[in-house]
Amino acid sequence: DAMVIQNPRYQVTQFGKPVTLSCSQTLNHNVMYWYQQKSSQAPKLLFHYYDKDFNNEADTPDNFQSRRPNTSFCFLDIRSPGLGDAAMYLCATSRGGQKTETQYFGPGTRLLVL
Amino acid sequence: KQEVTQIPAALSVPEGENLVLNCSFTDSAIYNLQWFRQDPGKGLTSLLLIQSSQREQTSGRLNASLDKSSGRSTLYIAASQPGDSATYLCAVTLNDYKLSFGAGTTVTVRA
Repeated sequence: DAMVIQNPRYQVTQFGKPVTLSCSQTLNHNVMYWYQQKSSQAPKLLFHYYDKDFNNEADTPDNFQSRRPNTSFCFLDIRSPGLGDAAMYLCATSRGGQKTETQYFGPGTRLLVL
Repeated sequence: KQEVTQIPAALSVPEGENLVLNCSFTDSAIYNLQWFRQDPGKGLTSLLLIQSSQREQTSGRLNASLDKSSGRSTLYIAASQPGDSATYLCAVTLNDYKLSFGAGTTVTVRA
């Protein structure tokens, strides 16, 4: 089945130690998104790629970076995680081109910062 | 800035009761509205998508209505089951393909 895959599902890191979260998709979608969701809060968009074009949200901290080496993969890099970065990180994709389409979400990676 | 609100934050009902979940948004200039389901520790699953030109969408026991002019949507789940226990989030699509989410309503269906 075509899907959005996130690895790992759980990630534990130390305060200040760089960490990378991975997302891959078999849907061949043009757009890939990264969201941060803290407990009992709405998912918050960090950034998205339309093909190779990177779009950063104005309030996304500089500590968060992203890479999209090809259509299928997208990475979220947290350069120096703080305790406040502990959250669920959700990757999503959409076909792109129409504002009326839905987004497809992966299962998420839960990040714990010690 | 678009704000999406879901009230109540949590809801508990006995099995068999109909569920009514509410979503309100401040800016009516939306392209569509979606309802998602999120199980504990999991990602989001899209349930229904209502285009801005539509009034409602139905899928099985689920029915979602949209009143764009008043900034409201309602998700109805008929004859609730314990398997319906989850968090339900609504989201509106703005320009540039972005979604603006509510914080969700956590539903518990008691057997």
